[in-house]
Amino acid sequence: EVQLVQSGAEVKKPGESLRISCKGSGYSFSSYWISWVRQMPGKGLEWMGRIDPSESYTTYSPSFQGHVTISADKSIRTAYLQWSSLKASDTALYYCARHRGSSSQFCFDPWGQGTLVTVSS
Amino acid sequence: DIQMTQSPSTLSASVGDRVTITCRASQSISNWLAWYQQKPGKAPKVLIYDASSLESGVPSRFSGSGSGTEFTLTISSLQPDDFATYYCQQYNSYWTFGQGTKVEIK
Repeated sequence: EVQLVQSGAEVKKPGESLRISCKGSGYSFSSYWISWVRQMPGKGLEWMGRIDPSESYTTYSPSFQGHVTISADKSIRTAYLQWSSLKASDTALYYCARHRGSSSQFCFDPWGQGTLVTVSS
Repeated sequence: DIQMTQSPSTLSASVGDRVTITCRASQSISNWLAWYQQKPGKAPKVLIYDASSLESGVPSRFSGSGSGTEFTLTISSLQPDDFATYYCQQYNSYWTFGQGTKVEIK
């Protein structure tokens, strides 16, 4: 079974750093891009960026460029989303999702279960 | 950037109703469009990809149509399990979601 399992919920203070993870199983991890998607409380889905785990090549949405960093370690089949200095406005549910293929024209399937990040003083 | 506009934002319907959700792209995306269903506390699940291809395991009451800039998701006979929020997503140029349509019980 193809599966993405994300790390657990986090509670952080503004200004702190954070890295959350997404571990793939049941498929060739390096062969499929992974994207990260934000869902703020009660809101819709926003694409943040994607990584090609084979080369760690990344593309970011202009809305998130410079605010987050996406990385991957293919040796342990894990992708990461990290912040160097969190803000209260980063409070959201974050999903990782595998692209159906290794080019741009594929939808996302499957998705991880989501990681809730709460930033509060 | 390609913008995706869904309508309506909320839809009230009864079991057995035929339901149609529309998604409009700000420029042509050919047929590079997916529809997802999301239930509270759960990750989105793909229903339709490439505008009209039904995902394996998804009931046949779901169908998708359209190309270019206008797309629709139709549920032919709404079932209790279908009350959820639905999102369109374009993947012609990067990836963009519509704002979502919440299907509520009337």
